Amino acid sequence: DAGVIQSPRHEVTEMGQEVTLRCKPISGHDYLFWYRQTMMRGLELLIYFNNNVPIDDSGMPEDRFSAKMPNASFSTLKIQPSEPRDSAVYFCASSVWVSEAFFGQGTRLTVV
Amino acid sequence: AQKITQTQPGMFVQEKEAVTLDCTYDTSDQSYGLFWYKQPSSGEMIFLIYQGSYDEQNATEGRYSLNFQKARKSANLVISASQLGDSAMYFCAMREGRSGNTGKLIFGQGTTLQVKP
Repeated sequence: DAGVIQSPRHEVTEMGQEVTLRCKPISGHDYLFWYRQTMMRGLELLIYFNNNVPIDDSGMPEDRFSAKMPNASFSTLKIQPSEPRDSAVYFCASSVWVSEAFFGQGTRLTVV
Repeated sequence: AQKITQTQPGMFVQEKEAVTLDCTYDTSDQSYGLFWYKQPSSGEMIFLIYQGSYDEQNATEGRYSLNFQKARKSANLVISASQLGDSAMYFCAMREGRSGNTGKLIFGQGTTLQVKP
């Protein structure tokens, strides 16, 4: 398996634009997590899914953020409109219940 | 609610010596898992070691071992014979069992380890 695949690896966008981050989890994994990493706030859990169903989105900072998982092999995290304070590295991770989570390479988002 | 605390923002260790990275956790669940991850300067998150709450023995993986003290709610990572390549950020993480927040995986703030030659 190729591991968790995230795209794009880097994204630079202007304030106010819509940004969509994509994630392909490892085949057979039933959990998918979205994290945001910044120097100030560390590694924050934004939302996670189990069997494509969102279980806990309490970490989503505002209504500008939304996440979907239309099927077991794909998830998106969307920010609209984007703001400079959204600049961070966004990680997607997947796991089966009893195992460790495997992380993608991350998407470095810069909003100017 | 789940909580993970890593009180050491930064640590130094001499090459070839052992180092302990501290982690304490809080949960009301009886079933949970504890993990350690390494994040080198390149940014990827690398899984190191896992300890289940019902495991009686401390987990070990090569030079990594987890000092699990359930009553004290601590899960310290011990790295033996440190190498220059161990310089990285280390994160402690926890997942609660099905009777709690099902499958939620949260991380501590991390400890930066620098290995001196």
